[in-house]
Amino acid sequence: GNSVTQMEGPVTLSEEAFLTINCTYTATGYPSLFWYVQYPGEGLQLLLKATKADDKGSNKGFEATYRKETTSFHLEKGSVQVSDSAVYFCALSSGGSNYKLTFGKGTLLTVNP
Amino acid sequence: GAGVSQTPSNKVTEKGKYVELRCDPISGHTALYWYRQSLGQGPEFLIYFQGTGAADDSGLPNDRFFAVRPEGSVSTLKIQRTERGDSAVYLCASSSTGGPYNEQFFGPGTRLTVL
Repeated sequence: GNSVTQMEGPVTLSEEAFLTINCTYTATGYPSLFWYVQYPGEGLQLLLKATKADDKGSNKGFEATYRKETTSFHLEKGSVQVSDSAVYFCALSSGGSNYKLTFGKGTLLTVNP
Repeated sequence: GAGVSQTPSNKVTEKGKYVELRCDPISGHTALYWYRQSLGQGPEFLIYFQGTGAADDSGLPNDRFFAVRPEGSVSTLKIQRTERGDSAVYLCASSSTGGPYNEQFFGPGTRLTVL
């Protein structure tokens, strides 16, 4: 079956530090890949997505590249801000007939000023 | 416009009781999903509706769980004879068509606590 493994947290960084959150997946076929973010007190929101191999998703300074050869979709940001503090979830949708999402366990990021 | 809404935001019940959780999707969205998120875990799929029909209920853990969407809009997740292990945040999401590239928009969730 489908599964997503992401870096265990929590991750604590200082403002302007470089961020990487690792994500690898197992799936049949050609999944679409997503990063969702949950800010404190808010619901899950889509951060970025990539729908085929070598695609790069980007949003709000975050980037992730769909690497089929390594089955990975690592999230990166060059310079984090305090406002990036949140829980980040890697997810995949492998098609079929319903496109349900399979999520990783989430990584808590705290950015200190 | 309005996003996905869920009511109640919190529900505390006793073991063995029946509960209903409501989801109001974004207007016009035909696809609706229910997920369950336990503490420290990512959301896990429960059921998917396309219109009024449950197209995939493979994630429902057992027959105590049931969901309906009678008019293709609002959905209700129903849990009978609740158990302490049912305690979790129940999330609802909707998307415009349910295809692989359509973003799922999530509601704020209902936190269910079974005492």
